[in-house]
Amino acid sequence: DVKVTQSSRYLVKRTGEKVFLECVQDMDHENMFWYRQDPGLGLRLIYFSYDVKMKEKGDIPEGYSVSREKKERFSLILESASTNQTSMYLCASSYLQGTDTQYFGPGTRLTVL
Amino acid sequence: ILNVEQSPQSLHVQEGDSTNFTCSFPSSNFYALHWYRWETAKSPEALFVMTLNGDEKKKGRISATLNTKEGYSYLYIKGSQPEDSATYLCAFIPRGSTLGRLYFGRGTQLTVWP
Repeated sequence: DVKVTQSSRYLVKRTGEKVFLECVQDMDHENMFWYRQDPGLGLRLIYFSYDVKMKEKGDIPEGYSVSREKKERFSLILESASTNQTSMYLCASSYLQGTDTQYFGPGTRLTVL
Repeated sequence: ILNVEQSPQSLHVQEGDSTNFTCSFPSSNFYALHWYRWETAKSPEALFVMTLNGDEKKKGRISATLNTKEGYSYLYIKGSQPEDSATYLCAFIPRGSTLGRLYFGRGTQLTVWP
């Protein structure tokens, strides 16, 4: 069974802290994605990666960075968390082929105080 | 940023009602369209992948149609049940898109009252 896991369901951090959100998939997928979901705005792509050590900016990369050292793991990093980064963060993965379904993790609800 | 529109934004129906909603996308460079269902406190789950004009897909009481020439897809739910309550997302892949990237609409939030 396909599985994408995220390190935390809920996270509370303070402004200025460095925050790591971890995502692991067990399907040997090449592609991995980080989205954020805010009310009324849909899923917005932050960054994605199509191979180890490769990354591409999505629509809203500002304030974020990513790391993909191993194929199964894709990390989202908030270098200095701010209150406007309070959101639901979703990780997804897929095979390299263009039409392939993305499989999503359960999400991390991040609150920055 | 590609414009993928979904309507309505939200929908409230009674159990047993049939319902449908729309996803609009740029028709000029279509490659594929996905539909996902996202229930509260769960992960988004894939429903359909549609690639051909005139495609019709069905899964139980849920079906979807695709018109690539005019740039829209409809999702139908026959005899809605409370467990159908969820946000339904469509996601567009344009021709030439980078490696499986999806462009999501904002979703239609469906509530089915018993």
